[in-house]
Amino acid sequence: DAEITQSPRHKITETGRQVTLACHQTWNHNNMFWYRQDLGHGLRLIHYSYGVQDTNKGEVSDGYSVSRSNTEDLPLTLESAASSQTSVYFCASSEAGGNEQFFGPGTRLTVL
Amino acid sequence: DQQVKQNSPSLSVQEGRISILNCDYTNSMFDYFLWYKKYPAEGPTFLISISSIKDKNEDGRFTVFLNKSAKHLSLHIVPSQPGDSAVYFCAASFFGNEKLTFGTGTRLTIIP
Repeated sequence: DAEITQSPRHKITETGRQVTLACHQTWNHNNMFWYRQDLGHGLRLIHYSYGVQDTNKGEVSDGYSVSRSNTEDLPLTLESAASSQTSVYFCASSEAGGNEQFFGPGTRLTVL
Repeated sequence: DQQVKQNSPSLSVQEGRISILNCDYTNSMFDYFLWYKKYPAEGPTFLISISSIKDKNEDGRFTVFLNKSAKHLSLHIVPSQPGDSAVYFCAASFFGNEKLTFGTGTRLTIIP
C-alpha cells in the first residue's frame, strides 16, 4: 500500500544545531508540503513543492529550508534550531491538481 | 490574518446526538473546502469535502453544509459515536492552487 512516512518520530535537539526531518511518500504524488502544528494556530504551511527541483515558501518559512531532488522525498532542514521551532511537524502529499492531501504521522521536535 | 477560523476550540456531545462543528472563512476566492480529523499522535486524515458549486455534501454519518453568502461551513455528525472524539480541522483552497489554508481546529469529545 502507498504511504507517507516521517522520521524521526521524536527528536530532541539543542539551540543552534542543524536538524533535518525526513519525509518519504510512495504515492508518486507531485505535490509535497510541510506544516507545523501549534496550539492556537492549527496547521501552518512552512514550505511546499509541486515537483522535482521546485520549492516554494509558505507562511512560516523563516529558519527552514527544503530541497526536492526526487519525487518521493522532501526533507525539511532547520538551519539553526531555535526554541520557537519546538512543534509537531507534518509532511503531506497530493496529486498534481488535487486538493486532498495525505498526511504523514508527524515528528515531534523539541529544541532545548 | 486568519483566513479560516474555527471559533470553538472544544465541543462536548452526548453519544448518539448530533455534533455540529463550525468554520468561517474570510477569503471569497476560496472555492473548495475540506474537513480533516486528527487523533493524538497521528497525522490528519481526510474526512469530507465540498465544492463551492454545491451547498451540501453527504457521506454516511457526515454531512458538510456550505453557506457562501455567509462564508460559513459546518460539519454535522449524526449519530455521534465515541470514535468520533478527535480534533477536527477545516481547510480551504481555491481553483488552480493546491495549497490548503487550515483553521485552528475544534476538539470534539463524545460523552458515552
